[in-house]
Amino acid sequence: DADVTQTPRNRITKTGKRIMLECSQTKGHDRMYWYRQDPGLGLRLIYYSFDVKDINKGEISDGYSVSRQAQAKFSLSLESAIPNQTALYFCATSDSGLNEKLFFGSGTQLSVL
Amino acid sequence: GNSVTQMEGPVTLSEEAFLTINCTYTATGYPSLFWYVQYPGEGLQLLLKATKADDKGSNKGFEATYRKETTSFHLEKGSVQVSDSAVYFCALYSGGGADGLTFGKGTHLIIQP
Repeated sequence: DADVTQTPRNRITKTGKRIMLECSQTKGHDRMYWYRQDPGLGLRLIYYSFDVKDINKGEISDGYSVSRQAQAKFSLSLESAIPNQTALYFCATSDSGLNEKLFFGSGTQLSVL
Repeated sequence: GNSVTQMEGPVTLSEEAFLTINCTYTATGYPSLFWYVQYPGEGLQLLLKATKADDKGSNKGFEATYRKETTSFHLEKGSVQVSDSAVYFCALYSGGGADGLTFGKGTHLIIQP
């Protein structure tokens, strides 16, 4: 089984709908991250969490919210999806911070029509 | 702010050719530098890293040397294989815990038999 699991793998939705992307990990890491990947733009950080009580905005948090339900679970919500949120979304974890290895999930491809 | 610039892709090579993917960066302080690889349909995986000037990171036949004087971290491999076909991301982390890794836009490498 994958260490970092994202669900769903693919999602198509309409403008204005609420969407939740889920991430769970079995690595026992405290730190979890959400990134989005757009063609030609690389990866950009949306939100990150260093433990269950800690939530921090990243570079592009507008239009998104997150919930850290437990050490192993970190979900990303789009309250009212818009077409420019169409992207590939990655969850990642790390043990002791960004100077160390990040472990990525396989991604969720979201299309907002 | 921090930034990472990679050569544009796609880069197409024949099997057993020599590979160089250029990466230069702008950062405050003394960042750690990384190369991540993304195989089709998968999340990113750490390929190698270097945490201080003149360090050489290496893994799976790939190498990159942290060059402070030229602010570069070019990825090299002496003889590429078809299985090396992937997207390669250069990234940096300049410390402080916030803001995440800064990624380049990615370079798509295609190796032809």
